[in-house]
Amino acid sequence: AQTVTQSQPEMSVQEAETVTLSCTYDTSESDYYLFWYKQPPSRQMILVIRQEAYKQQNATENRFSVNFQKAAKSFSLKISDSQLGDAAMYFCAYRSAERESGAGSYQLTFGKGTKLSVIP
Amino acid sequence: EAGVAQSPRYKIIEKRQSVAFWCNPISGHATLYWYQQILGQGPKLLIQFQNNGVVDDSQLPKDRFSAERLKGVDSTLKIQPAKLEDSAVYLCASSLGRDRSRYGYTFGSGTRLTVV
Repeated sequence: AQTVTQSQPEMSVQEAETVTLSCTYDTSESDYYLFWYKQPPSRQMILVIRQEAYKQQNATENRFSVNFQKAAKSFSLKISDSQLGDAAMYFCAYRSAERESGAGSYQLTFGKGTKLSVIP
Repeated sequence: EAGVAQSPRYKIIEKRQSVAFWCNPISGHATLYWYQQILGQGPKLLIQFQNNGVVDDSQLPKDRFSAERLKGVDSTLKIQPAKLEDSAVYLCASSLGRDRSRYGYTFGSGTRLTVV
């Protein structure tokens, strides 16, 4: 079974500064997807960024970028130019890739989350 | 497009009572998931539907939890009888399905259940 570990329960960053959230995972699979989700107090999980394991290039979405190290099974999220609206819980998640048969579960396996505070 | 709708938003019940949650996924999304998120933890899958069939319910406590997805659209999750440890946020999510290019999930805002 896959596991996802987020070792930083809480982090804080000054507004306009850069912060990096850490995530490691354990899997025996070679093809999979990794995600970072943001969960504000409204509770809705919002997709921030995703990475396909077979792509070596790190994903980037505006101020959000990842550092994907497949051999080290590491998937960190960097937030540049932090804004007050970035304050939330951030969850790292893993999902297996589709099997050729098309059968199977596509559940997300989540870490325990990192609470990010942004200081004005 | 409209998001994933869930109701109620909050629910407080006494232990041993029953409760039901409702989810309406995004139109056309074949796959529907129910996740349980206990305070301080990440969400954990309870059950996954593909259309109206169950794909994975291995983590569903079947002695007290049940779920159905009639006609492959709306879904209900029921707990009977509830225990104190069932206090959590119950999140519903949907996705288009197995198409490799469309693996994004859309989550609802969840139902916060408090069992007293």
